[in-house]
Amino acid sequence: GIQVEQSPPDLILQEGANSTLRCNFSDSVNNLQWFHQNPWGQLINLFYIPSGTKQNGRLSATTVATERYSLLYISSSQTTDSGVYFCAVISNSGGSNYKLTFGKGTLLTVNP
Amino acid sequence: DSGVTQTPKHLITATGQRVTLRCSPRSGDLSVYWYQQSLDQGLQFLIQYYNGEERAKGNILERFSAQQFPDLHSELNLSSLELGDSALYFCASSVLFTGELFFGEGSRLTVL
Repeated sequence: GIQVEQSPPDLILQEGANSTLRCNFSDSVNNLQWFHQNPWGQLINLFYIPSGTKQNGRLSATTVATERYSLLYISSSQTTDSGVYFCAVISNSGGSNYKLTFGKGTLLTVNP
Repeated sequence: DSGVTQTPKHLITATGQRVTLRCSPRSGDLSVYWYQQSLDQGLQFLIQYYNGEERAKGNILERFSAQQFPDLHSELNLSSLELGDSALYFCASSVLFTGELFFGEGSRLTVL
């Protein structure tokens, strides 16, 4: 099956700093999503971005499908950005198996 | 609020028991997915239903079963529970097979 690798596994920032999270995947995809899991365990949709660039406030994401990677940018980080960021993909060579495969996540800690 | 409703939010039970987790998808979504998140295994796909029919199966144990009803809500049944079944169980829904998935808040199961 498709492999999803996220880096870095852990990241500690001071409030106000910027960061880039990376997601590499091993096969072509027809779905790529970024999620934020907050300290209460909720999985919050950030972006649905199988290709191209999107922005939402201080967050933006870019997926280069031909090179099989996606980047999540967080600018002017806040303590509420802390949590785990997951990248998840659906391979388009999975036949009828359309499961969303998750990476192991990046644990982000933003200190005041 | 993703629009996906899961009940119960928390459940504590004993080994050997059986529990049922319930999920109501977003209005209009035909596809329902179940995921398990444990500390050592990350987010693992269990099973997918589309419009009442099973479409894909992941790492779901034989002690676990699921179904999607005509009104599109879904239930995940976990039986002969073991300590290792303690985890956060998520339901997600989407309109299509490969569209954006939206996750519920999860059901946290603790087996004592």
